[in-house]
Amino acid sequence: GQQLNQSPQSMFIQEGEDVSMNCTSSSIFNTWLWYKQDPGEGPVLLIALYKAGELTSNGRLTAQFGITRKDSFLNISASIPSDVGIYFCAAPSVSGTYKYIFGTGTRLKVLA
Amino acid sequence: GAVVSQHPSRVICKSGTSVKIECRSLDFQATTMFWYRQFPKQSLMLMATSNEGSKATYEQGVEKDKFLINHASLTLSTLTVTSAHPEDSSFYICSASGTGRMGTEAFFGQGTRLTVV
Repeated sequence: GQQLNQSPQSMFIQEGEDVSMNCTSSSIFNTWLWYKQDPGEGPVLLIALYKAGELTSNGRLTAQFGITRKDSFLNISASIPSDVGIYFCAAPSVSGTYKYIFGTGTRLKVLA
Repeated sequence: GAVVSQHPSRVICKSGTSVKIECRSLDFQATTMFWYRQFPKQSLMLMATSNEGSKATYEQGVEKDKFLINHASLTLSTLTVTSAHPEDSSFYICSASGTGRMGTEAFFGQGTRLTVV
């Protein structure tokens, strides 16, 4: 079935460092999304990507839709303590719907 | 952005009882709502798709008689965990999508933590 694999699984970084994480699949998707989930909360959309090769920014966050449509990358620049949380990639399991499958998650911990 | 509200945020129930979780779209009409389940330190797993006025569509392996979903209006979907057991303890999250300008993304609720004792 469709699976989204994220790496790294978790990471510790120093405040101010840049962070990179990726999401890969053996399936092709037409939309990629990146969410952040804080403990005990629902996920919040960070960036949505709709076109292969697209590079989109949201403040210190930048995400790219891989040209093969099988992967996506998220970068966070100059990390701060509030970046702590779990980052999930997601994609529609059925193209054109909001029926999402979620990646395995990258847990980010920032050392102040 | 749009607001999707879940209630309750936390619930503890005794084994064998039923628990109802509500998911409301507060400022838009949600034609479709989705229910997810998340175990500790794991990802979100889609349980079912709920369309207003019709029967829910369940993902493979999800017991429809165990997890009753009702989407009686364009702003409310409910998930009832029937005859709950400790293994049903989990974080349940809904999402909602609308039409028009609200049809560009799905909006997630804040989640409901269910603990069955």
